[in-house]
Amino acid sequence: NAGVTQTPKFQVLKTGQSMTLQCAQDMNHEYMSWYRQDPGMGLRLIHYSVGAGITDQGEVPNGYNVSRSTTEDFPLRLLSAAPSQTSVYFCASTRLAGSYEQYFGPGTRLTVT
Amino acid sequence: KNEVEQSPQNLTAQEGEFITINCSYSVGISALHWLQQHPGGGIVSLFMLSSGKKKHGRLIATINIQEKHSSLHITASHPRDSAVYICAVGMSGGGADGLTFGKGTHLIIQP
Repeated sequence: NAGVTQTPKFQVLKTGQSMTLQCAQDMNHEYMSWYRQDPGMGLRLIHYSVGAGITDQGEVPNGYNVSRSTTEDFPLRLLSAAPSQTSVYFCASTRLAGSYEQYFGPGTRLTVT
Repeated sequence: KNEVEQSPQNLTAQEGEFITINCSYSVGISALHWLQQHPGGGIVSLFMLSSGKKKHGRLIATINIQEKHSSLHITASHPRDSAVYICAVGMSGGGADGLTFGKGTHLIIQP
């Protein structure tokens, strides 16, 4: 199993550009989520999904869109990048029953200039 | 919204010392997670607790649901334990509606 994969690992955007951060998992996990990690702050939930076709907002959803067309993939879209979105983004997945162990991707470091 | 507080924020210790990291939260939870993040960023799950105590190698995690408090202990600490340790809580289904994280404890173990 590859676990949770994220691409790209690094990205630099100009203000106003759009892009999609990719996240995929091969463990057949129902639950997937996106977090951002900023210096001096804990990870914060952006969006999450409990299954294909079902998404919901987390603590800091503004400026981000998600969709979940398959169990495996959960892309995060930045519609019009802003410097405040400079952060490290982590995707995570887990089962909705059982151990609830969280599996994290390696992260995407995004800089918006 | 649950508030998660970790202490200490930073901890430097000598190799072999017994380490304790604390986590407290404000609202009842379904599960508490301890995570480890090494320099370079990868996050690894260490434990998920809903009650009692769990042990894995030199790591021990305990939770007191009534006190809304958890501790992570490292016995016979080693420089390779140097990392950021993060506490996270889930309100339902172990976190099916997202986790709330503490800010982390930065641990350095000196040889």
